[in-house]
Amino acid sequence: GAVVSQHPSWVICKSGTSVKIECRSLDFQATTMFWYRQFPKQSLMLMATSNEGSKATYEQGVEKDKFLINHASLTLSTLTVTSAHPEDSSFYICSASAGTGSYEQYFGPGTRLTVT
Amino acid sequence: KDQVFQPSTVASSEGAVVEIFCNHSVSNAYNFFWYLHFPGCAPRLLVKGSKPSQQGRYNMTYERFSSSLLILQVREADAAVYYCACGRNTDKLIFGTGTRLQVFP
Repeated sequence: GAVVSQHPSWVICKSGTSVKIECRSLDFQATTMFWYRQFPKQSLMLMATSNEGSKATYEQGVEKDKFLINHASLTLSTLTVTSAHPEDSSFYICSASAGTGSYEQYFGPGTRLTVT
Repeated sequence: KDQVFQPSTVASSEGAVVEIFCNHSVSNAYNFFWYLHFPGCAPRLLVKGSKPSQQGRYNMTYERFSSSLLILQVREADAAVYYCACGRNTDKLIFGTGTRLQVFP
C-alpha cells in the first residue's frame, strides 16, 4: 500500500526558533498534500492544501507567513513553523494523495512539536 | 458551523459487535470516511462512501447526515482511536474528535 513518512516524529524547540517538518510519499507520486494540526482532545484540523509546484491554499485562520508550506516535488512537502511559540505546540500530520476529488488521502504518522 | 460529532469513548467485550456512531452538520458533504489510528502510526482508511459498505470486519451504515462504523467480532487488538470524517470528496475532509475504543477480555 501507499506509504507516507514524516520527519521528525517529534521535536522540541525553543520559543522564537523555526522548525521544519518533512512529509514524503515513498511509493507514489503525490500531486496533492494536506497538512493537519491536532490539539489535545480535539479533531484533526486541516491547515492547508498544497499542489506540487504551486502555492498552498490555507484554511481560514491559518497564518500563511507563520506556517510556510513548500511542495517542490511530487514526493516531498515541507511545513516550516516560523518563530514558534508555546501555543504552536501540537501534533502535525500530513497526508498525500495522487490527485484531487476521489483519490484517497494516505496519512503520515505525524510529528509532535513541543515549543518551550 | 461545519462539525462532525462522535462519542469520545466506546467500550466492548471481545467477540461482540461494536458500533461507533457519527453525525455531522457539514454542508455539501455526503461522503463518510472512517479511519483507524494507533498512536504513533499513520491513520488508516477502513471504509468510505455515500452508501452502506463493508470491508472485511468493518461495516459502514449510511444516512445523509449520520453513519455508524460496525466492527464485527471485536478483538483486544482493535483497541485504538477511530475517526469519522465527512466531505464532498477527498479534497477537504472534516474530522470528528475521534472515538477511543476499549475492548475488555
